[in-house]
Amino acid sequence: DAGVIQSPRHEVTEMGQEVTLRCKPISGHDYLFWYRQTMMRGLELLIYFNNNVPIDDSGMPEDRFSAKMPNASFSTLKIQPSEPRDSAVYFCASSRRLGTKYEQYFGPGTRLTVT
Amino acid sequence: GQSLEQPSEVTAVEGAIVQINCTYQTSGFYGLSWYQQHDGGAPTFLSYNALDGLEETGRFSSFLSRSDSYGYLLLQELQMKDSASYFCAVRDLNDKIIFGKGTRLHILP
Repeated sequence: DAGVIQSPRHEVTEMGQEVTLRCKPISGHDYLFWYRQTMMRGLELLIYFNNNVPIDDSGMPEDRFSAKMPNASFSTLKIQPSEPRDSAVYFCASSRRLGTKYEQYFGPGTRLTVT
Repeated sequence: GQSLEQPSEVTAVEGAIVQINCTYQTSGFYGLSWYQQHDGGAPTFLSYNALDGLEETGRFSSFLSRSDSYGYLLLQELQMKDSASYFCAVRDLNDKIIFGKGTRLHILP
């Protein structure tokens, strides 16, 4: 398997622009997570899905952030309008339960810079 | 809510053993995980403890004590490539994963 795929790997945009981050989870995984990582805040869970349904979006910073999962193989995280404080690395991760074993697989991340 | 505490930095010598502790507060959870992250990379899974006790995977071991709300990651025969950040994480009863702030491990030659 190719692992979790994220695109783009790097994004530089100007304040006020719309940004869309994409994620393809590992086939067969029924959970998908979006995280944001910064030096100040560490690794923050933004939202997660189970079987394409959003379960908990309490970590989404504000209404400027939205996430969708239209099918089992694709998810997007959108920021509109973007602000400099959104600059971070955004990770997508997927997982599935295997009895008592539980392992998350992370994508390579998208490094977002908002100027 | 849930919270996890781990030291921000730990320093050890190549070839030695180091233990990274994690204490947590949560109303209920399925298990405790550990992840490794090298600078510029993504977190990668190391271990998962669903039950109390020690889980061993090569040079790495992880321990969980639910009664003490405590776990640790033990790294043996340290190598320079083990220099990285290590995160503990709890999986709550809704399968939500909450990460600690991470422990940066520095290894001296």
